Amino acid sequence: DTAVSQTPKYLVTQMGNDKSIKCEQNLGHDTMYWYKQDSKKFLKIMFSYNNKELIINETVPNRFSPKSPDKAHLNLHINSLELGDSAVYFCASSQDSGHQETQYFGPGTRLLVL
Amino acid sequence: GNSVTQMEGPVTLSEEAFLTINCTYTATGYPSLFWYVQYPGEGLQLLLKATKADDKGSNKGFEATYRKETTSFHLEKGSVQVSDSAVYFCALSDQGTSYGKLTFGQGTILTVHP
Repeated sequence: DTAVSQTPKYLVTQMGNDKSIKCEQNLGHDTMYWYKQDSKKFLKIMFSYNNKELIINETVPNRFSPKSPDKAHLNLHINSLELGDSAVYFCASSQDSGHQETQYFGPGTRLLVL
Repeated sequence: GNSVTQMEGPVTLSEEAFLTINCTYTATGYPSLFWYVQYPGEGLQLLLKATKADDKGSNKGFEATYRKETTSFHLEKGSVQVSDSAVYFCALSDQGTSYGKLTFGQGTILTVHP
């Protein structure tokens, strides 16, 4: 039974399109995150929600819009896709937003913008 | 701001060799420190963590000690296996207003040959 799942696993699309990535966790956690991993494997936080409220919003272009319909789901919508958006996007969750908490990661969504 | 610096990779070892991956950090508060591992094609998973100075995290033969005086959290394993081949990430989460945000090092690729 997958703890943190993401769909789709792979996404290939044209520049200018709009796409969404979905994330679900069945761990009963309160906090969820989106990270971006670039081609050199560097990972950077994008957003975090705690109990459906946005608590972290890093300097991400406003073409990226997260939505949390409930505690178990955190989706990422990307408008007007650009070549530089090509990356692996990871969703993660943790029990709460404390600094000692372990984060549990999904398998990633590999986005390629052509 | 917070930052994490890991030793440059890739690291290539023979099976049963000793492994050290260096990690140093800069933080404004008293962070928790983590090592995450990413196996090929998968998401990240927690390897070990330490939440205060002088704590030692350990798991699957890997160890790391939180050294506040040298701001370090070096990863060690006495005898590596081929199955340890992966990318290893050192990370920190600061107290205060970080809301659990993980700041990652650049990752170290480890390849273990039989």
